[in-house]
Amino acid sequence: AQSVTQLDSHVSVSEGTPVLLRCNYSSSYSPSLFWYVQHPNKGLQLLLKYTSAATLVKGINGFEAEFKKSETSFHLTKPSAHMSDAAEYFCVVSNSGGSNYKLTFGKGTLLTVNP
Amino acid sequence: DAGITQSPRHKVTETGTPVTLRCHQTENHRYMYWYRQDPGHGLRLIHYSYGVKDTDKGEVSDGYSVSRSKTEDFLLTLESATSSQTSVYFCAISDGTYYQPQHFGDGTRLSIL
Repeated sequence: AQSVTQLDSHVSVSEGTPVLLRCNYSSSYSPSLFWYVQHPNKGLQLLLKYTSAATLVKGINGFEAEFKKSETSFHLTKPSAHMSDAAEYFCVVSNSGGSNYKLTFGKGTLLTVNP
Repeated sequence: DAGITQSPRHKVTETGTPVTLRCHQTENHRYMYWYRQDPGHGLRLIHYSYGVKDTDKGEVSDGYSVSRSKTEDFLLTLESATSSQTSVYFCAISDGTYYQPQHFGDGTRLSIL
């Protein structure tokens, strides 16, 4: 069985400073991993996905995530926060085993960006 | 953006009444999902479908039923709504292949008084 732990329920940064949202996962297989973002009163939008082709994954809006198998982590980073990055972020792992049809979501990290 | 439409977008109803939420897709994807989102819980899977008339339960399926008579439509029914089912409901779709993500609709905000 797979699981996801988002280590911070709330992260607050100043505009222009780096962002780090932490995620640890557990999976019996080689996982598929995703980060989604949800702005207030909106649906979930895919930020990036890990596909095993490269451990450093680039996503939209300047976000990146690094897959570290030895640490079972998939932390999300951005060099410089923008006010528009304020949202909730979800780390997600698949049940893998060759299919991606079922996902497990972390409980989310709320990112606040201060001016 | 993936073609997913949820209806209605907002609904207020009373305890004990039946409620049906609809998810419509234009992507011809095999898999469709219903999630609920509650503060502190993230998204939890209610039911999912892996084809027409093929459905299975998720982790929070009690009190919910689903139907899929066409590839493009997936219905979620609360037979007798309770206040604990007040939530935001999201539909998602995927083609189910490895490394491919699920794509989400904009959600339905359901309030049961």
